[in-house]
Amino acid sequence: EVVLTQSPATLSLSPGERATLSCRASQSVSSYLAWYQQKPGQAPRLLIYDASNRATGIAARFSGSGSGTDFTLTISSLEPEDFAVYYCQHRFNWPPTFGQGTRLEIK
Amino acid sequence: VQLVQSGAEVKKPGASVKLSCKTSGYTFTTFYIHWVRQAPGQGLEWMGIINPSGGNTIYEQKFQGRVTMTRDTSTSTVYMELSSLRSEDTAIYYCARDRDQYVDRKIFDPWGQGTLVTVSS
Repeated sequence: EVVLTQSPATLSLSPGERATLSCRASQSVSSYLAWYQQKPGQAPRLLIYDASNRATGIAARFSGSGSGTDFTLTISSLEPEDFAVYYCQHRFNWPPTFGQGTRLEIK
Repeated sequence: VQLVQSGAEVKKPGASVKLSCKTSGYTFTTFYIHWVRQAPGQGLEWMGIINPSGGNTIYEQKFQGRVTMTRDTSTSTVYMELSSLRSEDTAIYYCARDRDQYVDRKIFDPWGQGTLVTVSS
């Protein structure tokens, strides 16, 4: 199965700063990569699918890029509500797998 | 669109648990449903998928023989039963709809609120 490795494990930034989160796949997953946001006590929420497509209702400050094995989620200017855990997930083959997550915390 | 899951469960090792995921706001038979679990403080783990139209399923190999996913089209509800429970099965279990109609694209949107299953003697 495809192993997704996210970095960093924890990212400490201040509101207004730019956040860059990475996800690396153990083999090419083409552009079949999604990003989810999870806040404490809540279910994950889809942000980005197929590497760069924003899900319905997702703010424009969230953007995704990459293909093959290297992907990036960028939050252009952090809002207080963006501090959460972010997971990447591939859908290239079975089984779909998730990265271990990046915790974005307030500095 | 809503996915509303059943309440928390406490089970003893070796027992089985059957969780429900009641859907509304869309045509039940046209979107695949996935189950994903999350152990306390851990990441997300995909368990399997069911096609509510025909009831076809695909299970993650790790859960083969222990998991059964079914559906009731009359109530637009999907069920996930996990047997031979052990402490490592303690987790929040989520159902999640596939994003697009008629295909299993493995894009999870939206999600249910989750059901906590605690396995303890």
